[in-house]
Amino acid sequence: AQSVTQLDSQVPVFEEAPVELRCNYSSSVSVYLFWYVQYPNQGLQLLLKYLSGSTLVESINGFEAEFNKSQTSFHLRKPSVHISDTAEYFCAVSSSGATNKLIFGTGTLLAVQP
Amino acid sequence: DTAVSQTPKYLVTQMGNDKSIKCEQNLGHDTMYWYKQDSKKFLKIMFSYNNKELIINETVPNRFSPKSPDKAHLNLHINSLELGDSAVYFCASSHSGLAREQFFGPGTRLTVL
Repeated sequence: AQSVTQLDSQVPVFEEAPVELRCNYSSSVSVYLFWYVQYPNQGLQLLLKYLSGSTLVESINGFEAEFNKSQTSFHLRKPSVHISDTAEYFCAVSSSGATNKLIFGTGTLLAVQP
Repeated sequence: DTAVSQTPKYLVTQMGNDKSIKCEQNLGHDTMYWYKQDSKKFLKIMFSYNNKELIINETVPNRFSPKSPDKAHLNLHINSLELGDSAVYFCASSHSGLAREQFFGPGTRLTVL
């Protein structure tokens, strides 16, 4: 069975500071990894994903995540956050099985303060 | 606008009632999903349909019945509503295949009194 752990339920950070949101997964098969973002009162949007190849993946708004197979991690980082980055961030995993089923972590609230 | 839409946005009802939530996507996707997000923001898949065929059915009570009249629509009917059904329900869609991006609707907040 697959699972995703996001140890931090909330990460407060000041504007323009760097941030890392942690994600660890467990799976007995090859996985695909995702970060989704949920802004207040909205649905989820894909931020970035790792399928194969380069272990460092980037989003268009400055976030990046690195796939680390030995540590079974996919931490999300941004060198300088903005107030507008305040949102709930969900790490998710899907397997190489027959369906596109996503298993989500419990989410991390990134709270950017001025 | 191209998107995943859900109706209604809010649904308040009494225990024991039957209600439906509708979902439509105009993205040309052939796979649709229902997720439940509880009060702690935990998000869990309930069902998935591909080309109107059920492909994922998690351990969801029989009171929940999805219906897909065509590829663009996936409705969720809930019988005999219980307090524990209170949650935000998200519809999503994607192209079929592995690791495809899922596009989510705005959610339906269901409150059972």
